[in-house]
Amino acid sequence: AQSVAQPEDQVNVAEGNPLTVKCTYSVSGNPYLFWYVQYPNRGLQFLLKYITGDNLVKGSYGFEAEFNKSQTSFHLKKPSALVSDSALYFCAVRDWMDSSYKLIFGSGTRLLVRP
Amino acid sequence: NAGVTQTPKFQVLKTGQSMTLQCAQDMNHNSMYWYRQDPGMGLRLIYYSASEGTTDKGEVPNGYNVSRLNKREFSLRLESAAPSQTSVYFCASTHLFGGVEGSPLHFGNGTRLTVT
Repeated sequence: AQSVAQPEDQVNVAEGNPLTVKCTYSVSGNPYLFWYVQYPNRGLQFLLKYITGDNLVKGSYGFEAEFNKSQTSFHLKKPSALVSDSALYFCAVRDWMDSSYKLIFGSGTRLLVRP
Repeated sequence: NAGVTQTPKFQVLKTGQSMTLQCAQDMNHNSMYWYRQDPGMGLRLIYYSASEGTTDKGEVPNGYNVSRLNKREFSLRLESAAPSQTSVYFCASTHLFGGVEGSPLHFGNGTRLTVT
């Protein structure tokens, strides 16, 4: 089965500094990878996805993610963090089970951006 | 355009009580999902419905049942609630998840359930 791991429970960064939220994956075949963000008391919102093509994927709110096949990683990045980026971030992989696709989520990483 | 709507937003149950969580989407999506979110465990799939008329078990189906009432609605039922079912429940939908483009999931705002 496919899986993703988010090794950091929390990431702290100062506003204006670059941020990275890490994700590694374990899949058979070509991975379909996603990043979602969750703000307090809300559902998850889609940020970006990697299906195929360029290894650098751009998404919403200035976020981007770099797919690295040799390191089996899909880290989320932003050049300059904002306080409003503080939220819970989930990496996910699409899995094929029982003739249907599903999303398998990592455990989440809390991002805190301090002013 | 409301997207995915979940009701209720909050619920407190006593052990052994039953309840149904409601979910409706207005995006004409084919596939719908129920996840639960627990601290440190991310989201775990309870049940899903790949298309109208079909339902299947996910990772943690025990203690739950579902009904895909029509294309818009997908309900989750707890027949006899247990404290271990205290969680935040999210419904999600997508248009054609098995498609080449990998359609993203659209989530509701969740139902926070406490079982005492």
